[in-house]
Amino acid sequence: AQTVTQSQPEMSVQEAETVTLSCTYDTSESDYYLFWYKQPPSRQMILVIRQEAYKQQNATENRFSVNFQKAAKSFSLKISDSQLGDAAMYFCAYSGTASKLTFGTGTRLQVTL
Amino acid sequence: GAVVSQHPSWVICKSGTSVKIECRSLDFQATTMFWYRQFPKQSLMLMATSNEGSKATYEQGVEKDKFLINHASLTLSTLTVTSAHPEDSSFYICSARDNWGSVNEQFFGPGTRLTVL
Repeated sequence: AQTVTQSQPEMSVQEAETVTLSCTYDTSESDYYLFWYKQPPSRQMILVIRQEAYKQQNATENRFSVNFQKAAKSFSLKISDSQLGDAAMYFCAYSGTASKLTFGTGTRLQVTL
Repeated sequence: GAVVSQHPSWVICKSGTSVKIECRSLDFQATTMFWYRQFPKQSLMLMATSNEGSKATYEQGVEKDKFLINHASLTLSTLTVTSAHPEDSSFYICSARDNWGSVNEQFFGPGTRLTVL
């Protein structure tokens, strides 16, 4: 079975600074997708960024980028120029051949002035 | 596009009653929908995969007779919590997979908070 591990329960970053959230996963599959979701206090799950495992190039979406290390099974999220609105729970998730999402335990991100 | 709604957004019920939660894909067709449960300050746990026109597939440890799932159309799945008890109180989230989109991408509803007294 696939597992997703987020080792940072909480992180804090100052506004306009950069923060990196860590995620590692375990799988025996070669074809899969990885996602970062944001869950603000409203609890609506919002897709931040996705990465296809077959793509070597790291995905980027505006201020959000990932560092995908397939051999190390690592998938970290970098948030640049942090904004107050980035404060939320962030979940790393894996989807493989079964097309089900397996979530990590989450990282609560605080953004301070 | 790719909007998923849930109804109700919150519900309070008495112990022993049944509660139905609806999940609708508003602008796309979804043969497959998913139901998750989220306890406070915890992650999402997949309960079951809902398949239009066929039986749902439940994850290990989830009681089929307790959490009834019906997926009668390409835009609607329902989760019925039968004979609810206080331990069923939780946040329930559904998601849907666009029939014409990536098989690995899911669109999430806003969730339903269930409180059983």
